Amino acid sequence: GAGVSQSPSNKVTEKGKDVELRCDPISGHTALYWYRQRLGQGLEFLIYFQGNSAPDKSGLPSDRFSAERTGESVSTLTIQRTQQEDSAVYLCATARDLLSYNEQFFGPGTRLTVL
Amino acid sequence: GEDVEQSLFLSVREGDSSVINCTYTDSSSTYLYWYKQEPGAGLQLLTYIFSNMDMKQDQRLTVLLNKKDKHLSLRIADTQTGDSAIYFCAERGNQGGKLIFGQGTELSVKP
Repeated sequence: GAGVSQSPSNKVTEKGKDVELRCDPISGHTALYWYRQRLGQGLEFLIYFQGNSAPDKSGLPSDRFSAERTGESVSTLTIQRTQQEDSAVYLCATARDLLSYNEQFFGPGTRLTVL
Repeated sequence: GEDVEQSLFLSVREGDSSVINCTYTDSSSTYLYWYKQEPGAGLQLLTYIFSNMDMKQDQRLTVLLNKKDKHLSLRIADTQTGDSAIYFCAERGNQGGKLIFGQGTELSVKP
C-alpha cells in the first residue's frame, strides 16, 4: 500500500477484555515500531521489530502487553485484561532500514477507549 | 534515563517567526527530529539533523542544535495559519532506531 495502515481506527472495550490492534507496514520496510500517545502527551515507545532479530520490548509497560511480527509483514499488538489507563492512541511506524536518518512513517493510529 | 522536554504552547501572529525549543538528555543521540501533527492527521517528519551538525536550513525551516547544552530549536520563518499544529521533538539513540519524543508544542498562528 501507499502508507502504513492500522485497524481498527477506533476501538471501545470494557475493562478486563482483551484487544488486538493491527498494523500493515509499507512494503519493504524492515523496521516496525509501536508507540502509545496518551491524551495531550507525547509518544511513548513500546516495542520495535527489525527483520528477524529479537524485538526490543523495553518500552512495554506491563506483561499484559505483547506484540508479534512475522518477518517484514503485519504486526499485531495485543493488550490483555485492559485497564482504563490503557486508553490512548496506539501508533505504528515503519522504516526502510536503520541506515542514515531512518525516517519513520506513521500510520493514522488506533484510538482505544477502555470503559 | 532518556528524556525530551518542550514547552507546551506557542502563539504567534501570521508572518512572524516561530521558534520552538527542545532539550534532551541522551548525549549519545545520533539524529534529532521535528515531527508535525495536524488535527485528524498522522505524524509527519518535518525535518531532522545529524548530531555532528549545528544547523540545517530547509526553505522556511531552520534547525539549530547546541550539542553541548543538549538544546534543539526549530525556527519557522513567515509563519502561516497552515503551520498551526503540534510539533514534536524526538531523539534517536544509538540502539535500534527507537525515538524518544517530547510532549509536543502546540503552535497557534493568529491571522
